[in-house]
Amino acid sequence: RKEVEQDPGPFNVPEGATVAFNCTYSNSASQSFFWYRQDCRKEPKLLMSVYSSGNEDGRFTAQLNRASQYISLLIRDSKLSDSATYLCFGAGGTSYGKLTFGQGTILTVHP
Amino acid sequence: NAGVTQTPKFRILKIGQSMTLQCTQDMNHNYMYWYRQDPGMGLKLIYYSVGAGITDKGEVPNGYNVSRSTTEDFPLRLELAAPSQTSVYFCASSRAGTRDYNEQFFGPGTRLTVL
Repeated sequence: RKEVEQDPGPFNVPEGATVAFNCTYSNSASQSFFWYRQDCRKEPKLLMSVYSSGNEDGRFTAQLNRASQYISLLIRDSKLSDSATYLCFGAGGTSYGKLTFGQGTILTVHP
Repeated sequence: NAGVTQTPKFRILKIGQSMTLQCTQDMNHNYMYWYRQDPGMGLKLIYYSVGAGITDKGEVPNGYNVSRSTTEDFPLRLELAAPSQTSVYFCASSRAGTRDYNEQFFGPGTRLTVL
């Protein structure tokens, strides 16, 4: 089983839609989680960190469910500019080498 | 600040050739990482370093070597290039360990093709 698993999509949604992605992780010792955004042929960039209490940044909301071992990203009022690949990332455990990205979820927002 | 810079941007190698991918950061970050990303896949950690003189293996280290003689530089060496090493290579850095919610900053990547 992969340490971090994502539904690769693609998700195709119209502008203004609400879309949610989930990411499951297998290592219960994982301590910190992030969502990164990657545009086509570009480097990943941090979208937001995912805290136990959840966090919100404008149209984006991230949640962590440690009991069920998943993190989620909710995007409200989708914009064309939200089209990208969203990567979840988990870190921690017993070694600093345990840094694991999911394979990414492709989102396309269309007019 | 330039952030994380990588050279070259593109490279084509023949099987068996060697090369060094350069990575430099000017943020005085202690932690540096090398990832590879195959088409349609996430990033896999090759090697990482928690400070000058200290390196360790990640998930997919075979076929690669690294060194960290300074805080700023973290080169990745391919000794005998193989087609399986065709990928996009990203270097990243963070102020401290990501386990403590420290953001990774990525370079623009090196696209490597081995023929």
